Amino acid sequence: GAGVSQTPSNKVTEKGKYVELRCDPISGHTALYWYRQSLGQGPEFLIYFQGTGAADDSGLPNDRFFAVRPEGSVSTLKIQRTERGDSAVYLCASSLTSPNSYNEQFFGPGTRLTVL
Amino acid sequence: QKEVEQNSGPLSVPEGAIASLNCTYSDRVSQSFFWYRQYSGKSPELIMSIYSNGDKEDGRFTAQLNKASQYVSLLIRDSQPSDSATYLCAVKTGGFKTIFGAGTRLFVKA
Repeated sequence: GAGVSQTPSNKVTEKGKYVELRCDPISGHTALYWYRQSLGQGPEFLIYFQGTGAADDSGLPNDRFFAVRPEGSVSTLKIQRTERGDSAVYLCASSLTSPNSYNEQFFGPGTRLTVL
Repeated sequence: QKEVEQNSGPLSVPEGAIASLNCTYSDRVSQSFFWYRQYSGKSPELIMSIYSNGDKEDGRFTAQLNKASQYVSLLIRDSQPSDSATYLCAVKTGGFKTIFGAGTRLFVKA
C-alpha cells in the first residue's frame, strides 16, 4: 500500500515569508506526527495528532509554528515569518493507535526547507 | 543529560562482523523502544521494535532491552556494506511522544 507522502519535497523561501508543508499519512493511521531534523541530529518532535485534534504540541518551538489536521487525515504544518534557523528537513510520520499496536511510526520522505 | 543518548560514532566494522549499537534513556516509565535506519538524504526506516526485557530477533538483527539499566541495544550480524547508515534509537515516553537519539553512524568495510 501507499506510504506516507509529503509535499513539496523541497521548499526554498525568503526570510519572513509564510510556508505550508503537507503530509498525507498511511490510510487508516489515526496518529500523525511532525518532526524536524537538522543535520547530524535525530528527529525532533514537534506535534502529535490523534484524529483531528493536536494531542501534544509541546514540541512546537514558538507561536510561528502551527499545524492542522481538519479531517483527521491530511495535515498541514504552517510556519509564519520564517527565519533562517527554521531551515531543516521536516518529517511526517503516522501510526496505528489500536490497543494492540505499539505506535510504530512510519515516516514520509520529508520536506527540505531552506530559508534564505 | 539528554533523554536518549547514543554514541555518535562512526562505528566501523569489517564485512561479516557483528555491529553492536547502544542506547541509554532517562525516562524510567518509557515502554516502547525502536531502532530506525537512516541512509544519507533519506528518511528514517523502522527496522526493530521492542517492548519487553530480553532479546528480540528478526533476521540478522537482534534488539536487546534492559529496563532496569535503561539500556537498549541493536546487534547486526553478518554486517554488509549496505548496512552502512545512521542508526537512530527512539523511545516512546508516557503518552505518545517519541524521543530520538542523535544516531550512531555505522560504516561496514568491504
